[in-house]
Amino acid sequence: NAGVTQTPKFQVLKTGQSMTLQCAQDMNHNSMYWYRQDPGMGLRLIYYSASEGTTDKGEVPNGYNVSRLNKREFSLRLESAAPSQTSVYFCASSESSRRTANLEPLHFGNGTRLTVT
Amino acid sequence: RKEVEQDPGPFNVPEGATVAFNCTYSNSASQSFFWYRQDCRKEPKLLMSVYSSGNEDGRFTAQLNRASQYISLLIRDSKLSDSATYLCAVKTSYDKVIFGPGTSLSVIP
Repeated sequence: NAGVTQTPKFQVLKTGQSMTLQCAQDMNHNSMYWYRQDPGMGLRLIYYSASEGTTDKGEVPNGYNVSRLNKREFSLRLESAAPSQTSVYFCASSESSRRTANLEPLHFGNGTRLTVT
Repeated sequence: RKEVEQDPGPFNVPEGATVAFNCTYSNSASQSFFWYRQDCRKEPKLLMSVYSSGNEDGRFTAQLNRASQYISLLIRDSKLSDSATYLCAVKTSYDKVIFGPGTSLSVIP
């Protein structure tokens, strides 16, 4: 089982360049998430998608856009990268609490390590 | 104020010690609660979901206090392999999941 797959694993960008981080899950989950993690800090939610066709801002959405392409895929785009966006980015997915009403945890990808110079 | 806050840490404890982590949340509509473990900035791994009545898994015990809006994690008989960062996570009814900043634990021989 692949679970949650993120690409690329590593990326170096120059200030002002753009790129898209890809995420795909094969668990048929409704909800998907993008987080960033800076050194010594916890995960901060950038955007999430509670179902196909919907996206919502998280704690730190500025400078990012997302697309929920279909149920499997949720991409994160940096239109004009800045050094402040140097971070480790994690994608995650979960079954929707509204469907199961149970304690459905998040399943994470391995992360993308992004450096903006 | 952050939506989810944790003990700042770090916690440095000897092997065999009992250690407790606390986490508070501000959104009273929060529905689900979790503890995750993270090693060396790898992806977080689920340690425990937190049930309303509290739950135990081996040396780990999680408690939820909805009235005071906090969750706790107790680790008994600490092992060297427990050294990691522990993150609490809170899910709202709209599936928004917010993490605390994490608490670092080092178990010392």
